Amino acid sequence: GAGVSQSPSNKVTEKGKDVELRCDPISGHTALYWYRQRLGQGLEFLIYFQGNSAPDKSGLPSDRFSAERTGESVSTLTIQRTQQEDSAVYLCASSPAGAHEKLFFGSGTQLSVL
Amino acid sequence: AQSVAQPEDQVNVAEGNPLTVKCTYSVSGNPYLFWYVQYPNRGLQFLLKYITGDNLVKGSYGFEAEFNKSQTSFHLKKPSALVSDSALYFCAVRERNQGGKLIFGQGTELSVKP
Repeated sequence: GAGVSQSPSNKVTEKGKDVELRCDPISGHTALYWYRQRLGQGLEFLIYFQGNSAPDKSGLPSDRFSAERTGESVSTLTIQRTQQEDSAVYLCASSPAGAHEKLFFGSGTQLSVL
Repeated sequence: AQSVAQPEDQVNVAEGNPLTVKCTYSVSGNPYLFWYVQYPNRGLQFLLKYITGDNLVKGSYGFEAEFNKSQTSFHLKKPSALVSDSALYFCAVRERNQGGKLIFGQGTELSVKP
């Protein structure tokens, strides 16, 4: 595809359930990012993958959050034992090598925890 | 710790008037600075960046931003606003030794009225 693709676009889950969010970056982009955007707030950095380097996990809010990336392709963000405060839009972005500022964002996954 | 502040939640401007969206930052050393725009129901798009050199940076759609090191600011400007400029604008900063980790401000909603 031409852009960053995220699925599902909407996810409604019950408190305590696990959810998995998927991101397909633009082909050839070496860097991949996950951000969270709560209603009325800015983007909160979660995690950053760059090639084969160890990911920067400094933004993950708790050990219930984890993310993986296979090579330079698909990434999944997993939230275990979801809580209501996890409700937000989860945004994925990718960027090409040597142009980290040119983040291309997906449309996000709207997560609602009931 | 690095941070970005956008002091205005909302900016209202009449079409044809100049606009300014404010951004200040706190980061050690010389940062990279960025502006992104989020149109309704669309993902974030890169507008412009400051890396080094001329303090006045020109970007997409007629926008420009001025880097002011002494005031640690990077305000977004446009000489003549269009109704189609109405969107959510995010300022972002990255430390030069922090890989691709971008820290975003909370966003400013720009409303341009005819």
